[in-house]
Amino acid sequence: DVKVTQSSRYLVKRTGEKVFLECVQDMDHENMFWYRQDPGLGLRLIYFSYDVKMKEKGDIPEGYSVSREKKERFSLILESASTNQTSMYLCASSPGTGLYEQYFGPGTRLTVT
Amino acid sequence: AQSVAQPEDQVNVAEGNPLTVKCTYSVSGNPYLFWYVQYPNRGLQFLLKYITGDNLVKGSYGFEAEFNKSQTSFHLKKPSALVSDSALYFCAVRDIRTGGFKTIFGAGTRLFVKA
Repeated sequence: DVKVTQSSRYLVKRTGEKVFLECVQDMDHENMFWYRQDPGLGLRLIYFSYDVKMKEKGDIPEGYSVSREKKERFSLILESASTNQTSMYLCASSPGTGLYEQYFGPGTRLTVT
Repeated sequence: AQSVAQPEDQVNVAEGNPLTVKCTYSVSGNPYLFWYVQYPNRGLQFLLKYITGDNLVKGSYGFEAEFNKSQTSFHLKKPSALVSDSALYFCAVRDIRTGGFKTIFGAGTRLFVKA
């Protein structure tokens, strides 16, 4: 079974802190994604990566950055956390292009106070 | 523009009855469509996809979806609902504008199955 793991299920941070969310997949997938999920808005893509050290902005990249130094690991960084970044963050991976389904991690519920 | 719409925020159905969760899409070119399910406190799980071929696609947990090109719809169906089907369901379409890497998700439909 494909497994996508995220470093934390729940996280509470203070405004202005730098926050790291880690994601690891074990299926040698080329593509990895970071989404945030908010009620009524579905999933919105923050960043994605189609290869090591490659990254592309998604629909809502402002306030976020990413790092992919190894194929299996994709990190999301909140440079200076703000309360409007309180959300559920989902990591996903997939092989190849969009013809393939994505495999999701369990999510990290981040609260910024 | 590439988009997907789920017109119902919530669907209620009695256990044992058939269920339908609606999805319509707007794409340029051939549509590549997906359904995912999210159980409470868990990530999304893939249910099924339409790439090409038969309009009726069968997936996990007894779900199926009917692709209708003329109505630009991809409704999710199950002949007999279970209480355990209660979850949040997302329809999604591949965004070809970015080489097919991106997937656009609908807002989600919450399904409640009552015993």
